Amino acid sequence: DTAVSQTPKYLVTQMGNDKSIKCEQNLGHDTMYWYKQDSKKFLKIMFSYNNKELIINETVPNRFSPKSPDKAHLNLHINSLELGDSAVYFCASSQGGGYSGNTIYFGEGSWLTVV
Amino acid sequence: DQQVKQNSPSLSVQEGRISILNCDYTNSMFDYFLWYKKYPAEGPTFLISISSIKDKNEDGRFTVFLNKSAKHLSLHIVPSQPGDSAVYFCAASKGSSNTGKLIFGQGTTLQVKP
Repeated sequence: DTAVSQTPKYLVTQMGNDKSIKCEQNLGHDTMYWYKQDSKKFLKIMFSYNNKELIINETVPNRFSPKSPDKAHLNLHINSLELGDSAVYFCASSQGGGYSGNTIYFGEGSWLTVV
Repeated sequence: DQQVKQNSPSLSVQEGRISILNCDYTNSMFDYFLWYKKYPAEGPTFLISISSIKDKNEDGRFTVFLNKSAKHLSLHIVPSQPGDSAVYFCAASKGSSNTGKLIFGQGTTLQVKP
């Protein structure tokens, strides 16, 4: 049973396309996140949602739009893909804000390659 | 401006010996620190954490040390095992914000040789 699952795991697409990455968690957590690992291997937060409400938006371009239909799902839609969007995108979840013992659990990652 | 830094991109140790992974941070507002372990093609998994009110936390073979004055933390693995070979990420958060925002270092790849 995968706690945080995201699909697709691998995605190769052309510049200018629109794509979505889906994420679901079965841990009963109320907070979900999207992190991006860039070519330099840094993991950086993009968004967090608590009970479907946007909490963090880290100056991510408007082409990235997260959507949380319920607290178990947080999808990431990317419009007009650019070469620089190529990265690994990790979905994650936690109970509460991920502070002081509220461990953040990560999905396996979605490898996005824009050509 | 990278607030959490892991200056050693890689580390190689012999099985049974101690592995020491280091992490430095610049933001004195950080008050909670974590280590995550990541295998290839998998997501990071939580390993151990420490609050700024402590200077040491131990969990089995893993111990994290925090030196607030030096803004430095380290992860000790004793004894190291081949299965510990992975990328280790240090992360920090500002608890007062309670947003779950973790600031990660760039990772250190540990190789434990049999």
